[in-house]
Amino acid sequence: DTGVSQDPRHKITKRGQNVTFRCDPISEHNRLYWYRQTLGQGPEFLTYFQNEAQLEKSRLLSDRFSAERPKGSFSTLEIQRTEQGDSAMYLCASRQDSEQYFGPGTRLTVT
Amino acid sequence: EDQVTQSPEALRLQEGESSSLNCSYTVSGLRGLFWYRQDPGKGPEFLFTLYSAGEEKEKERLKATLTKKESFLHITAPKPEDSATYLCAVQPSTGTYKYIFGTGTRLKVLA
Repeated sequence: DTGVSQDPRHKITKRGQNVTFRCDPISEHNRLYWYRQTLGQGPEFLTYFQNEAQLEKSRLLSDRFSAERPKGSFSTLEIQRTEQGDSAMYLCASRQDSEQYFGPGTRLTVT
Repeated sequence: EDQVTQSPEALRLQEGESSSLNCSYTVSGLRGLFWYRQDPGKGPEFLFTLYSAGEEKEKERLKATLTKKESFLHITAPKPEDSATYLCAVQPSTGTYKYIFGTGTRLKVLA
């Protein structure tokens, strides 16, 4: 079992570098979300996949951010040319019906 | 604009001292309202889904209720292990797949 897993759990990078995070959803869940959470805030929606199709992306999402879900299984979130403001917890969630189940998150620190 | 507001921001209770957390929402049609518990450094853990006004759900010391404009999470005789941040989220019924989260209530239960 099989809950949602994310890798890595922690990432420290220098400003300007690219980073990629991976999410493995619960196996029978065809819907997947990425969120960003900063201290004292609730999760902020980034993007949504149904199977391999990216059906919604936040208007706030810079074009430095891109996400994929090849073959409708795992998903990756890439941030190019990282900035200090990208420091946050990046959460992935999968759902089957209406309930979302979250992974443990990837904590990104940009120095 | 769709919005979720949670109050209070923080709450300290003595063990056994019951209380309620509030989640007020403004949304263009409600598909569902969700409560999550989040421990420090971890992803949110799903607690309840509520779909329509008047609905109630219970789990151990927690009970969630829903009206047309707000939801309450009642905590009866809390224990120190109930200390966490409690997050409320709504899913609008039209125009978007995203979930909109509040900023949470940080609950501390003292022994």
